[in-house]
Amino acid sequence: GAVVSQHPSRVICKSGTSVKIECRSLDFQATTMFWYRQFPKQSLMLMATSNEGSKATYEQGVEKDKFLINHASLTLSTLTVTSAHPEDSSFYICSASLAGGTDTQYFGPGTRLTVL
Amino acid sequence: AQSVTQLGSHVSVSEGALVLLRCNYSSSVPPYLFWYVQYPNQGLQLLLKYTSAATLVKGINGFEAEFKKSETSFHLTKPSAHMSDAAEYFCAVSEGGADGLTFGKGTHLIIQP
Repeated sequence: GAVVSQHPSRVICKSGTSVKIECRSLDFQATTMFWYRQFPKQSLMLMATSNEGSKATYEQGVEKDKFLINHASLTLSTLTVTSAHPEDSSFYICSASLAGGTDTQYFGPGTRLTVL
Repeated sequence: AQSVTQLGSHVSVSEGALVLLRCNYSSSVPPYLFWYVQYPNQGLQLLLKYTSAATLVKGINGFEAEFKKSETSFHLTKPSAHMSDAAEYFCAVSEGGADGLTFGKGTHLIIQP
């Protein structure tokens, strides 16, 4: 149980376009979902926290107008990278938990974004 | 603010030898501590977690970690390494509530035959 999926697993796009990444909890309802970014050979950095039905909370330094997060249901959160640029190329990973923070976070397999 | 320091970006041990991966944390409140493992091209998998219960936490695949408040440490150990343990290991801290995790930079574990 506690499976989290992400789609797509890889995406290549042209500079200036927007890309949407989906994160789904397959067998549980997630009250809180988190989005992380991982640069090559580096650690995961928390980008934002989203609760179903409310606006996401972004970490300092993360542009909320560039990284749009929607948590429309208890099993789906989406991250849209708007007007992507090469520096946005990274590995984006989502996680989901039943109760944010103290409970276990279940991680998706990640999405590799390459912006040309 | 919270932070995690993992000593050693790469650790190499022989198969059958003791595995010790070091993690030190800082937190302004009693922390929740986690160890995750990431195999190549896969997502993070929870190995074990400390949430203020027993200080010695046993996880999956024979791993365990001990919370030492006086040393602000949460080192991960396994008595006998197996080739399948080769992976990237991340220590993470949360201060609870609705916080996300703060990760260390990770330790790449190499198992020598």
